[in-house]
Amino acid sequence: DVVMTQSPLSLPVTLGQPASISCRSSQGLVYSDGNTYLNWVHQRPGQSPRRLIYKVSNRDSGVPDRISGSGSGTDFTLKISRVEAEDVGVYYCMQATHWPWTFGQGTKVEIK
Amino acid sequence: QVQLVESGGGLVKPGGSLRLSCALSGFTCNDCYMGWIRQTPGGGLEWLSYIGDRRLYTNYAASVKGRFTTSKDSAKNSLFLQMNSLRADDTAVYYCVTGPQIRDAAYWGQGTLVTVSS
Repeated sequence: DVVMTQSPLSLPVTLGQPASISCRSSQGLVYSDGNTYLNWVHQRPGQSPRRLIYKVSNRDSGVPDRISGSGSGTDFTLKISRVEAEDVGVYYCMQATHWPWTFGQGTKVEIK
Repeated sequence: QVQLVESGGGLVKPGGSLRLSCALSGFTCNDCYMGWIRQTPGGGLEWLSYIGDRRLYTNYAASVKGRFTTSKDSAKNSLFLQMNSLRADDTAVYYCVTGPQIRDAAYWGQGTLVTVSS
């Protein structure tokens, strides 16, 4: 199985400051159709996960542009340019190139 | 607005069975795939299965293959998960997921809790 490794696992941040989460895969994630199926989902406390980013860098409707995804090959990053209170929760990366599709362990973002 | 509503979770004894359902609304799932993901009490997420539309192709994670069966009723926009031979480590919140392309995991339900305990 493809192992997704996130770091850090805990990320205390100050409101208004930037935050960055790394996600590394144990194999390359380019699928045979040329797409890279790397998604980011966000789970607020007490809620179900919600997708933020798909195919590495495509933001979902309603996701603010201060949140961005980037990367290629086996290294991917989620960045928040200015953290707001609504950004708290756990962020997971997920690959859907190689079955079984797998998730990272999650990164818990909290406000200092 | 897309809504996925799971139901059927509950407390079941080890070795028992349970059938989960997921009702989809607000999204026309023509020729689309649907799948199941679970989240353990520790927070880990695991893709369990997905099912295609026209040919009803299915795929399963090794941890549930042979015990769980995914099916769907396209006319009713519904997805099902038949879970047999349940074990304590199947305890989790179960989410159904779909979207224009299943690999993008666009839409998630609110989840239903399954607890396997004697």
